[in-house]
Amino acid sequence: AQTVTQSQPEMSVQEAETVTLSCTYDTSESDYYLFWYKQPPSRQMILVIRQEAYKQQNATENRFSVNFQKAAKSFSLKISDSQLGDAAMYFCAYRTLYGGATNKLIFGTGTLLAVQP
Amino acid sequence: GAGVSQTPSNKVTEKGKYVELRCDPISGHTALYWYRQSLGQGPEFLIYFQGTGAADDSGLPNDRFFAVRPEGSVSTLKIQRTERGDSAVYLCASSKGRTNTEAFFGQGTRLTVV
Repeated sequence: AQTVTQSQPEMSVQEAETVTLSCTYDTSESDYYLFWYKQPPSRQMILVIRQEAYKQQNATENRFSVNFQKAAKSFSLKISDSQLGDAAMYFCAYRTLYGGATNKLIFGTGTLLAVQP
Repeated sequence: GAGVSQTPSNKVTEKGKYVELRCDPISGHTALYWYRQSLGQGPEFLIYFQGTGAADDSGLPNDRFFAVRPEGSVSTLKIQRTERGDSAVYLCASSKGRTNTEAFFGQGTRLTVV
């Protein structure tokens, strides 16, 4: 079974600075998706960035980028030029590429990010 | 609707009571998922519908939990004989199809069993 581990329960960053959130995962599959989701106090999960495991190039979305190390099973999120609105809980998630009967996401336990003005 | 809608937003019930949680997915989305998020944890998968049928219900914790999606749109998660351990946020998500599509989440229902 696949597992996702986030070892940083809480992180803090100064506004305009850069922060990196860590995520490791375990799987025997060779093809899969990895995601970072943001969950503000409103509780709605918002997709931040997605990486397909078969793509070597790291995904980037504006101020958000990932460092995907497939051999090490590591998938970290870098937030550049942090803004107050980035403060939220961040979840790393895994999904198998060939879902078969299911397409479920497997989530880590989350990292609470605080942004200091 | 424009997004995934979940009602009620909050629900307080007494131990032993029956509750229903409703999810209205994005129009045209055939896939629908229920997740449960306990305090301080990430969401855990409960059940996945493709159309009207439950394609994967492996995450339902026991037979007190049941979900339906009779017309392939709105889904209802039903919990019988609620226990205090059922207290959590129940999230619903929908997506256009089975593979390679983004899942959109609702704002969840916070269930508190007292």
